[in-house]
Amino acid sequence: AQKVTQAQTEISVVEKEDVTLDCVYETRDTTYYLFWYKQPPSGELVFLIRRNSFDEQNEISGRYSWNFQKSTSSFNFTITASQVVDSAVYFCALSGPNTGFQKLVFGTGTRLLVSP
Amino acid sequence: DGGITQSPKYLFRKEGQNVTLSCEQNLNHDAMYWYRQDPGQGLRLIYYSQIVNDFQKGDIAEGYSVSREKKESFPLTVTSAQKNPTAFYLCASSNRARYYEQYFGPGTRLTVT
Repeated sequence: AQKVTQAQTEISVVEKEDVTLDCVYETRDTTYYLFWYKQPPSGELVFLIRRNSFDEQNEISGRYSWNFQKSTSSFNFTITASQVVDSAVYFCALSGPNTGFQKLVFGTGTRLLVSP
Repeated sequence: DGGITQSPKYLFRKEGQNVTLSCEQNLNHDAMYWYRQDPGQGLRLIYYSQIVNDFQKGDIAEGYSVSREKKESFPLTVTSAQKNPTAFYLCASSNRARYYEQYFGPGTRLTVT
């Protein structure tokens, strides 16, 4: 079975602090995709990144960076120099052939509160 | 502008009534999806459709029904058989070539009393 665990329910930081959101996944598939989505207070989910299981290279996009480690089944997300606009719920998700690539399995989300 | 629209943003119904949530996309995407989100929980897949006139049950399809008569539309009906219908409902779509990138609508918050 596929499962995504986001153990951090809520994180509070002060603006300009760095923050890391943890994501641990379980799957028996050898080929799979991992995702991060952002859900601002408006409710709409915003796609942030997709990573396939064969690409363990870390990625950086502006203040965002992702650390994918197959050895620990983790796909952590770091925001550098956080801003108030980063306040949102962040979801990690997984898809694979076992349940169909179209079906995303989501974690329970981490609520990030960035105060000025 | 291309995107996904869901209407209305907030919906209130009495227990025992069926209610239909609208989802329209003008992204020319082949696949469409319905998710349910409850407080403190992740999204759970209700139904999805990869082509017109075809759809599959997700993980929590009981008490829901869908139709896909047009490529751009995928309405969800919450029936009276759904035990706990109060939730936030999100519609998504994806392109067949990049099916793993799902784009989400703004959601409909349904309250049943």
